[in-house]
Amino acid sequence: DSGVTQTPKHLITATGQRVTLRCSPRSGDLSVYWYQQSLDQGLQFLIQYYNGEERAKGNILERFSAQQFPDLHSELNLSSLELGDSALYFCASSGYSNSYNEQFFGPGTRLTVL
Amino acid sequence: AQKVTQAQTEISVVEKEDVTLDCVYETRDTTYYLFWYKQPPSGELVFLIRRNSFDEQNEISGRYSWNFQKSTSSFNFTITASQVVDSAVYFCALSERNAGNMLTFGGGTRLMVKP
Repeated sequence: DSGVTQTPKHLITATGQRVTLRCSPRSGDLSVYWYQQSLDQGLQFLIQYYNGEERAKGNILERFSAQQFPDLHSELNLSSLELGDSALYFCASSGYSNSYNEQFFGPGTRLTVL
Repeated sequence: AQKVTQAQTEISVVEKEDVTLDCVYETRDTTYYLFWYKQPPSGELVFLIRRNSFDEQNEISGRYSWNFQKSTSSFNFTITASQVVDSAVYFCALSERNAGNMLTFGGGTRLMVKP
């Protein structure tokens, strides 16, 4: 158990809908990262927050947004969902915002868009 | 831009065999960090090791060992005396000091250990 929690574990929805994925980092970790794992794209970095502020952005679509709240939990919002958004979404956390810090991953949220 | 290549998409071995998973990376940064993660069938990503670009010492942890060679831009992972519980997808990843904190992952190697 990495100490990172994600809810829900599974999510099934329809095209055009909007969903919110939630992540609670390990106790004391200030950085939260979101990754998407799909069959065709592999594991891709989406976005990072550090202590409430956006720190880095990767291949995140404009239909996706995220935020980190004062209690350090984070939410990833996916809107106008398409079939291709079906994937496993991971949240990870680390103590600081340095590239040498290992990131600990949550169990993931499996999103299925029908 | 950084890139990680795991040329072996799938490896199958019989229990107790040794197996090496290859990882080749590309980076322009002089300071970078390499990682290995394990993804068992249950789906979570488990951190195994971190290595920084200034430390080329090999590392051994039980049946696991890692060989980092800057000259060939490789960070290979060897499992000695493999066990069925080692069956998983293994990912090599890279982060660069000057490119933020994102991890760039390789495509993964699926290891199947048969009894």
